[in-house]
Amino acid sequence: QKEVEQNSGPLSVPEGAIASLNCTYSDRVSQSFFWYRQYSGKSPELIMSIYSNGDKEDGRFTAQLNKASQYVSLLIRDSQPSDSATYLCAVKLGGADGLTFGKGTHLIIQP
Amino acid sequence: KAGVTQTPRYLIKTRGQQVTLSCSPISGHRSVSWYQQTPGQGLQFLFEYFSETQRNKGNFPGRFSGRQFSNSRSEMNVSTLELGDSALYLCASSLTRGSYNEQFFGPGTRLTVL
Repeated sequence: QKEVEQNSGPLSVPEGAIASLNCTYSDRVSQSFFWYRQYSGKSPELIMSIYSNGDKEDGRFTAQLNKASQYVSLLIRDSQPSDSATYLCAVKLGGADGLTFGKGTHLIIQP
Repeated sequence: KAGVTQTPRYLIKTRGQQVTLSCSPISGHRSVSWYQQTPGQGLQFLFEYFSETQRNKGNFPGRFSGRQFSNSRSEMNVSTLELGDSALYLCASSLTRGSYNEQFFGPGTRLTVL
């Protein structure tokens, strides 16, 4: 079964450190990958999209994609307490309808 | 630019009833997708509409249906509600279809079935 997997956490990171969130997916032909942030009681908010192997940086966020290893990650530099949320990895799996989401990683930034 | 809007934000229904949820996409966006989010199953794809046509459908029973209007606004309907339909229903809009289109979510409709 095609799927997207994430460690549910919680992942606890001290303020100012780098938070590293990981995601693996099952389908080699997947083409597009997205990271969403979801605060408790709110809807998912798009943070990053990445389509090619390598790194993509946007402010404090860096997405990394390795299609050969079927692995995508999100790095958050200089973590702030406001980064505490659930981070959802979403993949457009080959042949699948719609985005397939992981269950999310709960990130806690400790002041 | 205004974001995706969904109405109503909260809804309480009883088993056997039906419900209609509404979504207005970001101005200029033509594709609307619907997702169901529950604590147990996470976010699951329901269906996608583009140019008033259902393009894709997830693995949900026929009780779940939808439509899209010429102004890209979309509605989804759930008939014969079951307790397990209690969830956050999210609408996402994107500029067009295809793998490389970013989807932006609305605030969701929280449906409780009693």
